[in-house]
Amino acid sequence: DGGITQSPKYLFRKEGQNVTLSCEQNLNHDAMYWYRQDPGQGLRLIYYSQIVNDFQKGDIAEGYSVSREKKESFPLTVTSAQKNPTAFYLCATRDRAVEAFFGQGTRLTVV
Amino acid sequence: AQSVTQLGSHVSVSEGALVLLRCNYSSSVPPYLFWYVQYPNQGLQLLLKYTSAATLVKGINGFEAEFKKSETSFHLTKPSAHMSDAAEYFCAVGNAGNNRKLIWGLGTSLAVNP
Repeated sequence: DGGITQSPKYLFRKEGQNVTLSCEQNLNHDAMYWYRQDPGQGLRLIYYSQIVNDFQKGDIAEGYSVSREKKESFPLTVTSAQKNPTAFYLCATRDRAVEAFFGQGTRLTVV
Repeated sequence: AQSVTQLGSHVSVSEGALVLLRCNYSSSVPPYLFWYVQYPNQGLQLLLKYTSAATLVKGINGFEAEFKKSETSFHLTKPSAHMSDAAEYFCAVGNAGNNRKLIWGLGTSLAVNP
């Protein structure tokens, strides 16, 4: 079944802890994206990658890090430097089909 | 540069009434335009897209949108709202160039009243 898998669906982070959100795709798409979603603020771009071993900062990259070692995978690490990490995180892919395809999201909560 | 404005963060309609969600865009190159729907705690699903073919685009679930270049608009409509249409709707703009980023509106929350 083709698609984008985000895991876990729910994640709880303690203060000062780093956590990693997983995003895996089998659509064979080159471009992958991480968005953060907060109520009333739409989708804000954290990082994106257009090719393996390359990625660029989006609009709100501070406190986050990514890697793109494989075409299929684009994990996002929320570091302790991110002071307000509670949000819904969405991974997306895009290829020559123009539109973006989304995973089901990970809801991160600081406890 | 590209931008998207969705007019009205909350829209409420009665079941069976017309749905109209507004989207205006700004783009210095021919745009690709999209409408997505999001249900609570889920990802976004593509409703329809405009990619420079027909200006009236039909999508899933009975939705359609019309690209009006003169008005820089891409409003989403549905003739008769159903309870299941209650969701968040996002308009986005992109282009066919090497920059594959999409620019997103802030979203419109649609409530459907019985």
